[in-house]
Amino acid sequence: GENVEQHPSTLSVQEGDSAVIKCTYSDSASNYFPWYKQELGKRPQLIIDIRSNVGEKKDQRIAVTLNKTAKHFSLHITETQPEDSAVYFCAAAGGGGSNYKLTFGKGTLLTVNP
Amino acid sequence: NAGVTQTPKFQVLKTGQSMTLQCAQDMNHEYMSWYRQDPGMGLRLIHYSVGAGITDQGEVPNGYNVSRSTTEDFPLRLLSAAPSQTSVYFCASSPRSGGTDTQYFGPGTRLTVL
Repeated sequence: GENVEQHPSTLSVQEGDSAVIKCTYSDSASNYFPWYKQELGKRPQLIIDIRSNVGEKKDQRIAVTLNKTAKHFSLHITETQPEDSAVYFCAAAGGGGSNYKLTFGKGTLLTVNP
Repeated sequence: NAGVTQTPKFQVLKTGQSMTLQCAQDMNHEYMSWYRQDPGMGLRLIHYSVGAGITDQGEVPNGYNVSRSTTEDFPLRLLSAAPSQTSVYFCASSPRSGGTDTQYFGPGTRLTVL
């Protein structure tokens, strides 16, 4: 089955700096790669996703890049703000057309220091 | 729309007890899933369903049963609770069509097994 590795497990940045979180996946058939943000005690919420026919996607301060050949994808957050502090999860899905079967990374705790 | 709802929010069980975690969605989504979240482990897929009457196992199905008699409801049953099942459980749903694979998560159930 799919295996997703996520790094780093913790990341601390100063407000205004950029943050980058990286994930690798093992199943070359995966074609859907969402990123979720989870605040303490809350549910995971989708912040951005990308499909394998796209190399990069941007939404305001958040961007995701995908390298299918290397089987890795990354989340980039620019101009970080204290409210960006949360746990971020990457995930992969789509092998066999099953975009509903997400395999998650273990998460990155992002702390943005004012 | 209420989205995805889960009950109860918190539950404490003794080893060997049984219980059902409820999950419902009012978005007419065909896909529904159950995940468990443990510290440092990310979210892991327990069971999923692609429609009423159809269920299948995910990554960690042992000790759990599911059924899907209606589109709206997807209960998760613990037949004989064990301390290893102490976790936070999230239900999620996503549409089969409409050009999106976004999974919407419920608020979660925090289960403690003593």
